[in-house]
Amino acid sequence: KAGVTQTPRYLIKTRGQQVTLSCSPISGHRSVSWYQQTPGQGLQFLFEYFSETQRNKGNFPGRFSGRQFSNSRSEMNVSTLELGDSALYLCASSSPPNYEQYFGPGTRLTVT
Amino acid sequence: GENVEQHPSTLSVQEGDSAVIKCTYSDSASNYFPWYKQELGKRPQLIIDIRSNVGEKKDQRIAVTLNKTAKHFSLHITETQPEDSAVYFCAASKGGSYIPTFGRGTSLIVHP
Repeated sequence: KAGVTQTPRYLIKTRGQQVTLSCSPISGHRSVSWYQQTPGQGLQFLFEYFSETQRNKGNFPGRFSGRQFSNSRSEMNVSTLELGDSALYLCASSSPPNYEQYFGPGTRLTVT
Repeated sequence: GENVEQHPSTLSVQEGDSAVIKCTYSDSASNYFPWYKQELGKRPQLIIDIRSNVGEKKDQRIAVTLNKTAKHFSLHITETQPEDSAVYFCAASKGGSYIPTFGRGTSLIVHP
């Protein structure tokens, strides 16, 4: 099976702009989770979508949002970008019963 | 919610030595404990996991132990090799549709 893919791989944005990241899960996986990774902070959970519904949510402000399409592909949007949003954004797909997280390569977002 | 503490944050060993990374968790309902390895510039990948009905699990040079009473689990790597150099993340989950909570990671450096 093809692995999890994310686009774009690298992105440079200016403070105040918005950005949309995309994630395509492993075929057959219906759960997609998003994480923010910054040095020293590990993997911070943003939210999880399952069958087009947000099922779990982390402690991030409302500027971070997401959605999932009927083919399980997911997008994450960040509005009004701040310098502190610079990070590697990882998505992971999983499926029952164990829900092991299979990660994509990530999108490196730099906010200037 | 769940809280996972991981120590040490950095571990430096000589090739051939053993390495041990320790994690503690707070939610006694957690029953699934995966470990991920993230090489520089790459995605996190699951290397081993353990469930609460098992005290120890081995896979070649790596092993994980779990002490449910004390709420801690550890990753053991024997006969370390330079290619073991990476950041290792532990995680804890209540299983099923629950999203795992990750530790902050341990940077393992194996000196040839």
